[in-house]
Amino acid sequence: EADIYQTPRYLVIGTGKKITLECSQTMGHDKMYWYQQDPGMELHLIHYSYGVNSTEKGDLSSESTVSRIRTEHFPLTLESARPSHTSQYLCASSGAEWAFNEQFFGPGTRLTVL
Amino acid sequence: AQKVTQAQTEISVVEKEDVTLDCVYETRDTTYYLFWYKQPPSGELVFLIRRNSFDEQNEISGRYSWNFQKSTSSFNFTITASQVVDSAVYFCALRTDTGRRALTFGSGTRLQVQP
Repeated sequence: EADIYQTPRYLVIGTGKKITLECSQTMGHDKMYWYQQDPGMELHLIHYSYGVNSTEKGDLSSESTVSRIRTEHFPLTLESARPSHTSQYLCASSGAEWAFNEQFFGPGTRLTVL
Repeated sequence: AQKVTQAQTEISVVEKEDVTLDCVYETRDTTYYLFWYKQPPSGELVFLIRRNSFDEQNEISGRYSWNFQKSTSSFNFTITASQVVDSAVYFCALRTDTGRRALTFGSGTRLQVQP
């Protein structure tokens, strides 16, 4: 069973607030990812990291930012939330062997911006 | 560029029926990996299977089976004798060994199994 955690699970906030979505994994995985899942179900990569101090943008343009100061921690921050940010955010990690490790997913954070 | 297509947006079956979820992929890479994930109403993604491009052997795991055909770029998923607990959204995904090595997902198929 994968040990990857996301908090909070649900968040309802007002426009303009700064928020941080937490993601932690205890598997020592180098690679971590953030996916955004819109109400139409599609998942899109918004950020990824190959390791500490490495972060890259994904396919879907996002106003969020990420940091990777520790291997186990990959938080996502929105400086000023807007209703268009309403979505589910899924964090994932994978191990060192690219070919033979599937991505393990956290339970997700469902964000609603009013 | 790579792409995964799940043409079936939603499928509804009655319990005990067999159901096949289709997945067609596109990639120029010769080495790639295909996945199926299940997303129940609770929202988490549950890994079901991984298949690499060199292994076209079909796989069966209990009521689940997967048919990988490189000739048609398809990786279809069949649930035999479906149960209500199978109701979920199922995603097919692709990863290659080049670039970011992140998953490219299909748009998902929502399966509803009626009692």
